[in-house]
Amino acid sequence: DADVTQTPRNRITKTGKRIMLECSQTKGHDRMYWYRQDPGLGLRLIYYSFDVKDINKGEISDGYSVSRQAQAKFSLSLESAIPNQTALYFCATRGEGTGELFFGEGSRLTVL
Amino acid sequence: GEDVEQSLFLSVREGDSSVINCTYTDSSSTYLYWYKQEPGAGLQLLTYIFSNMDMKQDQRLTVLLNKKDKHLSLRIADTQTGDSAIYFCAAFHSGTYKYIFGTGTRLKVLA
Repeated sequence: DADVTQTPRNRITKTGKRIMLECSQTKGHDRMYWYRQDPGLGLRLIYYSFDVKDINKGEISDGYSVSRQAQAKFSLSLESAIPNQTALYFCATRGEGTGELFFGEGSRLTVL
Repeated sequence: GEDVEQSLFLSVREGDSSVINCTYTDSSSTYLYWYKQEPGAGLQLLTYIFSNMDMKQDQRLTVLLNKKDKHLSLRIADTQTGDSAIYFCAAFHSGTYKYIFGTGTRLKVLA
């Protein structure tokens, strides 16, 4: 089983719908991150969390919200999806020591 | 704000060396990383370098860091078709625990 699991892997939705992307990890890491990937733009940070009580905005948090339900779970919500939120979304956890990020396999979201 | 830049594409012939370059703006970045993304997959760490190092070698991979110019490079020796992927440079800021990624360089290896 993957150490960082994202669900759903693929989702097609319509403009205005509420969408939740979920991330769970078995690595026991405190720090978790949500990124979106767009062609030619790389990965951009949406939100990150140091623990269940510590949530921080990234560079592109507008239109998104997050919830850290437990150390192992970090969810990303789009309250009212719009087409320019069509992207590949990645969750990651941060290991200690070298600070390696461990990524999930991604959630591909299409907003029509 | 912090920024990390990479060229978008690189094409090499199998067996040649590949050099992927990256520049970053935040001089307080403590760790710099190279990640590899294969089609349909998440990113996986290839290698990293601490900011007080100039070079790091790991089998076919050589990382060079020029801290004065804020320039990082990844050299892949004897490039194989299995090396075809997108390579991301990332800078870690120890004050905020943020990772800033570059745009990614798509490496295409020609047989």
